Amino acid sequence: SAVISQKPSRDICQRGTSLTIQCQVDSQVTMMFWYRQQPGQSLTLIATANQGSEATYESGFVIDKFPISRPNLTFSTLTVSNMSPEDSSIYLCSVAERASGNTIYFGEGSWLTVV
Amino acid sequence: AQKITQTQPGMFVQEKEAVTLDCTYDTSDQSYGLFWYKQPSSGEMIFLIYQGSYDEQNATEGRYSLNFQKARKSANLVISASQLGDSAMYFCAMRERGGGSYIPTFGRGTSLIVHP
Repeated sequence: SAVISQKPSRDICQRGTSLTIQCQVDSQVTMMFWYRQQPGQSLTLIATANQGSEATYESGFVIDKFPISRPNLTFSTLTVSNMSPEDSSIYLCSVAERASGNTIYFGEGSWLTVV
Repeated sequence: AQKITQTQPGMFVQEKEAVTLDCTYDTSDQSYGLFWYKQPSSGEMIFLIYQGSYDEQNATEGRYSLNFQKARKSANLVISASQLGDSAMYFCAMRERGGGSYIPTFGRGTSLIVHP
């Protein structure tokens, strides 16, 4: 299965600042996604990261708040901009791996706490 | 309507016993896939098992098996011989093949606590 490295694993951020989360995969994957998981909740898809073009955002998420880059097939970043306490969540990078029939795998997650 | 329903917010099981976590789904697609993930307190999402809608046999992976009842649209996870390390949140997810999307939809999860 794909090995997905995500960093930072945890961070405490000041209100109004921005933080960029990195996701690195050890193999070329079909698709990369970013999810948010608020405390005690299920996963909510933020966007699909598209290689070399703008990400495809889900309803309720906008590029100005969550800019995403995917410069190649194995790397993506998610920035959480102008953070507020409501952005305190786990942010998860996930991939669909072609070699395993497009099984969805996840990184270790990034716990962000906004104070 | 929810596409994935997990009706058990919390489950308790004695160590070494088996436990079943329920999952029902709703789709009009003929081709779809069902997943189970484990999320320990560390936050990572660990892939456990996958069942394709055309698979005739129930999927198994070690102590995990998926009780797939297509007509009832259920995909329950069975964990045999529970261990203390099985205590975690468990999420059921479905991916519909319509439109070529690979994006799964997740249920709300079930919290499993294994007692010694």
